Amino acid sequence: NAGVMQNPRHLVRRRGQEARLRCSPMKGHSHVYWYRQLPEEGLKFMVYLQKENIIDESGMPKERFSAEFPKEGPSILRIQQVVRGDSAAYFCASPGINTGELFFGEGSRLTVL
Amino acid sequence: AQSVTQPDIHITVSEGASLELRCNYSYGATPYLFWYVQSPGQGLQLLLKYFSGDTLVQGIKGFEAEFKRSQSSFNLRKPSVHWSDAAEYFCAVGPQNTGFQKLVFGTGTRLLVSP
Repeated sequence: NAGVMQNPRHLVRRRGQEARLRCSPMKGHSHVYWYRQLPEEGLKFMVYLQKENIIDESGMPKERFSAEFPKEGPSILRIQQVVRGDSAAYFCASPGINTGELFFGEGSRLTVL
Repeated sequence: AQSVTQPDIHITVSEGASLELRCNYSYGATPYLFWYVQSPGQGLQLLLKYFSGDTLVQGIKGFEAEFKRSQSSFNLRKPSVHWSDAAEYFCAVGPQNTGFQKLVFGTGTRLLVSP
């Protein structure tokens, strides 16, 4: 959905570097979901945030991954010390208001060399 | 545990032929059900959704899906496929009425359309 903006669209990092992915939800929305799509797989839930609060991070890897959604600015998914297995497409989504559906951004594709 | 199974990894259909993509789910209660489509390098677009009521739901681009509670299935259909339908299709389930759209996705079915 064009309303959910993600950047960068493509990011290349070497092993050990940090990756930062940004997401601005649909206008007026204060909740975001992050999903990861590994090659040849479906999307897997990572974390659900509202502004200044993590609601559910049950899908986040225990180490190196963190997410935030500050009062001002976009939500950020941060991956420290990236490894090749982190290569994936990372999608952000805004929930519909009382519709039960998610509106996805176009994703950020991370490649770790 | 909640899960979604899309048993067909790839399907090839001739242009103009009918299409059915299978989806089975395992969930504690009747969930919300969705079909999304993803074109190469793009995000996901919602095709249709089922919340309640009529078990045959109509979506965009001429797609429809039928919810069958007894079979825990939500198969996607289209009577006549167009070349532009070539994409990856994902079935997803989520909890009802919680305001928490933590969707569980299947692994996807890649549709190829032959001339």
